[in-house]
Amino acid sequence: LAKTTQPISMDSYEGQEVNITCSHNNIATNDYITWYQQFPSQGPRFIIQGYKTKVTNEVASLFIPADRKSSTLSLPRVSLSDTAVYYCLVGAGNTGGFKTIFGAGTRLFVKA
Amino acid sequence: DAGVTQSPTHLIKTRGQHVTLRCSPISGHKSVSWYQQVLGQGPQFIFQYYEKEERGRGNFPDRFSARQFPNYSSELNVNALLLGDSALYLCASSLARDRDSPLHFGNGTRLTVT
Repeated sequence: LAKTTQPISMDSYEGQEVNITCSHNNIATNDYITWYQQFPSQGPRFIIQGYKTKVTNEVASLFIPADRKSSTLSLPRVSLSDTAVYYCLVGAGNTGGFKTIFGAGTRLFVKA
Repeated sequence: DAGVTQSPTHLIKTRGQHVTLRCSPISGHKSVSWYQQVLGQGPQFIFQYYEKEERGRGNFPDRFSARQFPNYSSELNVNALLLGDSALYLCASSLARDRDSPLHFGNGTRLTVT
């Protein structure tokens, strides 16, 4: 099973760029990397997904090096509303008979 | 478009009772998964259903069961409730059953067992 490792928590200030790195040394050749965001008392929300190099959408960017053993979620110019837990998953969390693991995630706290 | 809807939003049950949680997926989504989330932890996979058949099961006891209906909605049933079953139960739907199809979560049912 592919396991991910990410920092337990991070602090930032409004307007800064935040980079959260996730390690996934056992990633399989056909695995995608997916990030979710979760606010208290809500379900996780899909942010971004990628396979290699760089992916960007209106919310974030995802950087994946050539060896794919890690990935970095980049949140540009964070605001207070970006305070949440961020989960890195190998695969999308859609198990289809697999047991994809949600870790404890990274708790991002954005300060004014 | 409506997102994934779950009912009820909150529920209080007594130890030993039975509970049924309900989930309606996004229109067109055929895959439904259930997760249990205890405070401070990430969601733990319970079941996945696709086209009304169970496709995956996590490490949960047989007290947990689920089913998917012809309209792709789903129910999660938990028998003989224990205090440790208190958690946020999340339902997620996706367009396909493959491992890389992004999940769309509802806001969950908060179950409290006393």
